[in-house]
Amino acid sequence: NAGVTQTPKFQVLKTGQSMTLQCAQDMNHEYMSWYRQDPGMGLRLIHYSVGAGITDQGEVPNGYNVSRSTTEDFPLRLLSAAPSQTSVYFCASSYFGLAGTGDPTGELFFGEGSRLTVL
Amino acid sequence: DQQVKQNSPSLSVQEGRISILNCDYTNSMFDYFLWYKKYPAEGPTFLISISSIKDKNEDGRFTVFLNKSAKHLSLHIVPSQPGDSAVYFCAASAKRQGAQKLVFGQGTRLTINP
Repeated sequence: NAGVTQTPKFQVLKTGQSMTLQCAQDMNHEYMSWYRQDPGMGLRLIHYSVGAGITDQGEVPNGYNVSRSTTEDFPLRLLSAAPSQTSVYFCASSYFGLAGTGDPTGELFFGEGSRLTVL
Repeated sequence: DQQVKQNSPSLSVQEGRISILNCDYTNSMFDYFLWYKKYPAEGPTFLISISSIKDKNEDGRFTVFLNKSAKHLSLHIVPSQPGDSAVYFCAASAKRQGAQKLVFGQGTRLTINP
């Protein structure tokens, strides 16, 4: 059982370049989300999705786009990378979605992370 | 506006003793509180949770206490073991726009000394 898989694990970009961080889960979770981890800031929510075709912004959405065409995949796009986007990115999924079924605690299952450096 | 705060960036405890990690929150609407553990180069993993209607939840060596009047929760690890050395994140969840969303604290790095 793979759980939540993120690719790539490491990436170096130049300012202004674009890229997509991939995230896939095989647990049939409706809820998927992207967080970034920065020193002293904890984990901050970027975007989330409660099901295919439905996405919404989190705390720090600027500079990032997402889409959710399937239940399994939730890619995060950086259209024009900036040094402020240097961070470790985590994709996470959960049983709890629009249907209101599953785990009510909101427990998230995380991928291993993607370390992004923007020069 | 930090809704969930962990004011201690680090904590060092001797093996076998009790580790106490603290967390404060500001929003009374949170339904559940969770603790996550994170090792270097890995994603956070769920440790233990507590409902806002409870004041204590225990799972083996781990106990979480919730003081709603003080908007404070703590994680107790007894006895502490070297494998407990990790970063611990406190998180709070609330239902927003049909989804249970988690807000995380800044994390506390716990080091267990032999």
